[in-house]
Amino acid sequence: KQEVTQIPAALSVPEGENLVLNCSFTDSAIYNLQWFRQDPGKGLTSLLLIQSSQREQTSGRLNASLDKSSGRSTLYIAASQPGDSATYLCAPGGDNFNKFYFGSGTKLNVKP
Amino acid sequence: NAGVTQTPKFQVLKTGQSMTLQCAQDMNHEYMSWYRQDPGMGLRLIHYSVGAGITDQGEVPNGYNVSRSTTEDFPLRLLSAAPSQTSVYFCASSQGGIQYFGAGTRLSVL
Repeated sequence: KQEVTQIPAALSVPEGENLVLNCSFTDSAIYNLQWFRQDPGKGLTSLLLIQSSQREQTSGRLNASLDKSSGRSTLYIAASQPGDSATYLCAPGGDNFNKFYFGSGTKLNVKP
Repeated sequence: NAGVTQTPKFQVLKTGQSMTLQCAQDMNHEYMSWYRQDPGMGLRLIHYSVGAGITDQGEVPNGYNVSRSTTEDFPLRLLSAAPSQTSVYFCASSQGGIQYFGAGTRLSVL
């Protein structure tokens, strides 16, 4: 069974800082890995999807990297803004049936 | 553009009652899933479906039933609600590895 760990569990930073959120997983036989954002009381929004053959993906101020062999992924957020405050979830995908296993998330607070 | 629609948004049940959580998607996705989210535990997969007529169990299937008679709909049934089923339930559909989530159903079982 895939076990997913996200560190840190919570993070509070002043606006403008560059951030790194960490995700580790125990089974490296993944098909892909997805990073999500969840706002309080809301559903999940997909941020980035990295295929197992890729090393990284970028979208705006977000960059996600994947080291499948070591079971690690990082989400880099550049020049953080208060609007980035949310919980960020990492989810490695196990097979072609789009099954994902989720970490418990990193709760980010960006202070103005 | 509706995406994934879940109803109801909130529900309170008494122990032993049954109910169905509805999920519908309009993106013609083959894959659909149900998750529950509990504080500090992330999302756990309850059941999933790879197409109409095909369903399978996830990590925590006990106490829940599903069916998939159409591509669009994937209802989750609680047969006899228990306090341990108090949670937030999310439905998702996916294609090409990208998952799209509904807004969730917050369920309390007293």
